[in-house]
Amino acid sequence: EIVLTQSPGTLSLSPGERATLSCRTSQTISSSSLAWYQQKPGQAPRLLISGASSRATGFPDRFIGSGSGTDFTLTINRLEPEDFAVYYCQQYGGSPPGYTFGQGTRLEI
Amino acid sequence: QVQLQQSGPGLVKPSQTLSLTCAISGASVSDNSAAWDWIRQSPSRGLEWLGRTFYRSQWYNEYALSVKGRITIHADTSKNQFSLLLDSVTPEDTAVYYCTSSMAVPGLDHLFYYYMDVWGKGTTVTVSS
Repeated sequence: EIVLTQSPGTLSLSPGERATLSCRTSQTISSSSLAWYQQKPGQAPRLLISGASSRATGFPDRFIGSGSGTDFTLTINRLEPEDFAVYYCQQYGGSPPGYTFGQGTRLEI
Repeated sequence: QVQLQQSGPGLVKPSQTLSLTCAISGASVSDNSAAWDWIRQSPSRGLEWLGRTFYRSQWYNEYALSVKGRITIHADTSKNQFSLLLDSVTPEDTAVYYCTSSMAVPGLDHLFYYYMDVWGKGTTVTVSS
């Protein structure tokens, strides 16, 4: 099973600052298999980034996904109050095939 | 626009079977480019993918090793819905359960990938006597 390790566990920043969230995989994966989700309290996760760098509908270009191999990054520029949430990375693969999630990064004010 | 409506009991006794249903609107469960998944979330296990079903001229299922042997995901084309059955539950199965849908997207490597772009609202299931 491929393990996803997210860091930091919690990130405390202020509106207007830049957030950098990391997701490392235990094996090299295709960047096409890497996604990021945003989850706010009491809500289901919401697809944010697919294929490591493609932004989902409804998210502004302040959200940038990047990376390849085993190292992937979600960068959020000019933080807005509504960006404070928990962010998860996810990948599909392995044998047998399936999805695994990172443990999440909590972005807090 | 795809929407998912979850239903099912919020309390299940230990050793019994957890049963949840996800009704689909805006798409067909037998769509040849869609996949239908169940995911759960708990404080101890985080987000955990349980399995999925999809139709590609015939029905296929994929299940997580952590629940294989106890799980069945079944599509009902007459009702346009899919369901989750989890046998022999224990308190460890207490979680919020989500159904999701995803559509095939071509990757850079010419394979198809699926991203969960529609989620149900979630059902809190507690396993307790």
